[in-house]
Amino acid sequence: GAGVSQSPSNKVTEKGKDVELRCDPISGHTALYWYRQSLGQGLEFLIYFQGNSAPDKSGLPSDRFSAERTGGSVSTLTIQRTQQEDSAVYLCASSLADISGYTFGSGTRLTVV
Amino acid sequence: SQQGEEDPQALSIQEGENATMNCSYKTSINNLQWYRQNSGRGLVHLILIRSNEREKHSGRLRVTLDTSKKSSSLLITASRAADTASYFCATGLSGSRLTFGEGTQLTVNP
Repeated sequence: GAGVSQSPSNKVTEKGKDVELRCDPISGHTALYWYRQSLGQGLEFLIYFQGNSAPDKSGLPSDRFSAERTGGSVSTLTIQRTQQEDSAVYLCASSLADISGYTFGSGTRLTVV
Repeated sequence: SQQGEEDPQALSIQEGENATMNCSYKTSINNLQWYRQNSGRGLVHLILIRSNEREKHSGRLRVTLDTSKKSSSLLITASRAADTASYFCATGLSGSRLTFGEGTQLTVNP
């Protein structure tokens, strides 16, 4: 597509439920990144994909968080047993190479109640 | 800890004035990038400067990079109300991902 697409744009979930966030990068972009941003804060790195493999998943805050990427394209970030502290905007970005400029999606605003 | 740190945290100016934001970082980099964010959603890439470059221009934007001081500055000339946003610097190293600073909130008053 023309840009990075994220869905859903907003998600309200009950504490303890699982959620899946989807990212559809720009076609041909081999690198894909997940970040999250709490209100008024900077971007916190979560995980980075090069193709289908994840050379850096050091930012995943706990084993409740996992992500996968299939076909070198779409990525899914899964949060199990959500907690209130998981509430944030989850941002996905893609790039042609890992030292290129990133194109960001509009994010998924996750609210855990 | 965050690689990039922006200064100031917040900046308020009048339309037509210039805005300068600074970024400092700690480790070696291949490039440094600046992004803008409106309304807490997706970031927009503004400009990329490589570690062997000292200055770069794009429209009303001017970026400098001083690798000896591990610092960069973003200058927006003749600011407009539409420039109101958060501005982030991000540093990159080959084989890795960008590390973002905490951002500068710029307000341009009409």
